[in-house]
Amino acid sequence: EDQVTQSPEALRLQEGESSSLNCSYTVSGLRGLFWYRQDPGKGPEFLFTLYSAGEEKEKERLKATLTKKESFLHITAPKPEDSATYLCAVHMLIQGAQKLVFGQGTRLTINP
Amino acid sequence: NAGVTQTPKFRVLKTGQSMTLLCAQDMNHEYMYWYRQDPGMGLRLIHYSVGEGTTAKGEVPDGYNVSRLKKQNFLLGLESAAPSQTSVYFCASSYSMRLAGSSYNEQFFGPGTRLTVL
Repeated sequence: EDQVTQSPEALRLQEGESSSLNCSYTVSGLRGLFWYRQDPGKGPEFLFTLYSAGEEKEKERLKATLTKKESFLHITAPKPEDSATYLCAVHMLIQGAQKLVFGQGTRLTINP
Repeated sequence: NAGVTQTPKFRVLKTGQSMTLLCAQDMNHEYMYWYRQDPGMGLRLIHYSVGEGTTAKGEVPDGYNVSRLKKQNFLLGLESAAPSQTSVYFCASSYSMRLAGSSYNEQFFGPGTRLTVL
């Protein structure tokens, strides 16, 4: 059973076309949710941490939001350099153990 | 600062061979982690360390061993490589991994090691 699910798997947008990526989780007791960006052939790079429902954080064209069961990464007027795979990771308590569980990622392509 | 570095960047092994992946960080982080990343799957934690001389198992530890003899270095060993260990391996470090109440701090990742086991 998937505990952290990202959708869509891949998304292709035109430059300037805003959209949102989704990260949903099925385990209660969220301790924190992380967003990372990963460029091809590189390691993930930290973007945001969200701790509680209703929290929002922004960085340039990206805004991350959090509800009780999911997080959205909104991309406003994206540019080709925003093309990357975006990963979310959820810190949760599973059977008494702390765990950081990553989603499979959304591969975002921005066409000029 | 170099951040987190990994050696080697690429490696091809034959089944049964052994090797060690080296991770080094210059940020004075207490916590270090080894992950593997496979197509269609999220990053999965192999082993981690909360300080010099300490290590612990993660989600997928079988077939791997680790050592943290120095605070800045975290080694991942494969004693007898298997094709199932073909993957991209990432090392990461962080200031702390708070276990009670709060959350993990952000992790800083290395560039990865692409390992193929034939």
